[in-house]
Amino acid sequence: GQSLEQPSEVTAVEGAIVQINCTYQTSGFYGLSWYQQHDGGAPTFLSYNALDGLEETGRFSSFLSRSDSYGYLLLQELQMKDSASYFCAVRDHDTGFQKLVFGTGTRLLVSP
Amino acid sequence: DTEVTQTPKHLVMGMTNKKSLKCEQHMGHRAMYWYKQKAKKPPELMFVYSYEKLSINESVPSRFSPECPNSSLLNLHLHALQPEDSALYLCASSQDQEVEKLFFGSGTQLSVL
Repeated sequence: GQSLEQPSEVTAVEGAIVQINCTYQTSGFYGLSWYQQHDGGAPTFLSYNALDGLEETGRFSSFLSRSDSYGYLLLQELQMKDSASYFCAVRDHDTGFQKLVFGTGTRLLVSP
Repeated sequence: DTEVTQTPKHLVMGMTNKKSLKCEQHMGHRAMYWYKQKAKKPPELMFVYSYEKLSINESVPSRFSPECPNSSLLNLHLHALQPEDSALYLCASSQDQEVEKLFFGSGTQLSVL
C-alpha cells in the first residue's frame, strides 16, 4: 500500500513564504501530485513532479527528491485566498495504476 | 470546458430512501471516478470507470451502486444508506493515463438521517 504523511496544520501571515512537506512510502512510484481544496470546494490540481527537482508555476513551486521519498509545496507571497487544505498524492502501484492515494492533508491558515 | 458538474449539491435522505448522484464532464476524458471525503480527511477512492467499464471497486458496500451510461456521465445510486455514510461525494475525471491530474466536481454533501 501507500502512505503519505503531511503536517496537519501550518500558519503564516500574508506576504510570507510557507513550505508544506510530504513524505511517502510506496511500493512503486511514478511521481507526486499536489492538490488544493478550499472549505466546501472541490480539490484542484496544482502540480505534478515525476523527476527530482523544483517545478515553478507562478507563486507555487513543488519539489521532489525520489531518493529521500520526500517532496514539498512552496507557496510564496501568501495571500488570504491561499487559506485552504493541501494534499499530496501518488498513484497506487498495487491496484492497476488508476487509483490516486491522497496524503493526510495540511490545513494552511493565512492571517493578515 | 474544463468543468465536472455534479448534482445535487446537497442531499438529505433517510435510511430507507433511494437516491442518485449525477456527474457530467465534456472534456473527452475516458476515466471517471467516485471519491468519498469525510470532514478534515483526504478523499478516498470508491470506484473507477475506464472507457465506461468498471475497473476498480474499492470493496464498497453494495448499498452504493455506480453506473456509467456513456463516456460523459457517471451516476452513483444510493439505497438503504447508514448515518455513517454521510460525507462529501466527489466525482472526478481524467485522461485515461493521467491519473495524477484529476478534475474534480464540487461534490454532493450527503446527510443520512
